[in-house]
Amino acid sequence: DGGITQSPKYLFRKEGQNVTLSCEQNLNHDAMYWYRQDPGQGLRLIYYSQIVNDFQKGDIAEGYSVSREKKESFPLTVTSAQKNPTAFYLCASRPGQGEADTQYFGPGTRLTVL
Amino acid sequence: GQNIDQPTEMTATEGAIVQINCTYQTSGFNGLFWYQQHAGEAPTFLSYNVLDGLEEKGRFSSFLSRSKGYSYLLLKELQMKDSASYLCAVMDSNYQLIWGAGTKLIIKP
Repeated sequence: DGGITQSPKYLFRKEGQNVTLSCEQNLNHDAMYWYRQDPGQGLRLIYYSQIVNDFQKGDIAEGYSVSREKKESFPLTVTSAQKNPTAFYLCASRPGQGEADTQYFGPGTRLTVL
Repeated sequence: GQNIDQPTEMTATEGAIVQINCTYQTSGFNGLFWYQQHAGEAPTFLSYNVLDGLEEKGRFSSFLSRSKGYSYLLLKELQMKDSASYLCAVMDSNYQLIWGAGTKLIIKP
């Protein structure tokens, strides 16, 4: 089955710890995205990548880091520098670059900082 | 700045029709998307409009007026499973999606 997987679905972390959220897709999509969703707010873009070995900051990149070593994978690290990391994190991918294609989402990871 | 506005919450009755509005101001326009999101789940694609007019897809229709910066999503024959948040998003000149905060739709029997 083709799709986007994120793991884990729920993640708990202590303050001061870094944590990495996984995102894998087998759709052969070029572009991948990380969003954060907080209650009552729209999706906010953290980082995006349009091609392997290249990525750009979104609107709220501070305290986060990413890598894109393979086309299929776009992991997100939430560092201890992120002041308010508790949120629902969504990974998405899109077929083309510079085209108005639909974004497809993974199931999301809910991160709670204790 | 870029801005997407939609109502925070709406209530409708099972079997009825509801219209969810979205107004936008963005730097460039490469289409408008509607997504459905059930609580705790990921958004799923509903519709895409890039030209003015109405796009119909079963019980759901979406309308766009680019000159007015306005779209609506029309849901007919409402079912309890339609209770969800509906997200409006505009693709800007850089092909990035700008998201509204979503409209929570509550369906009552």
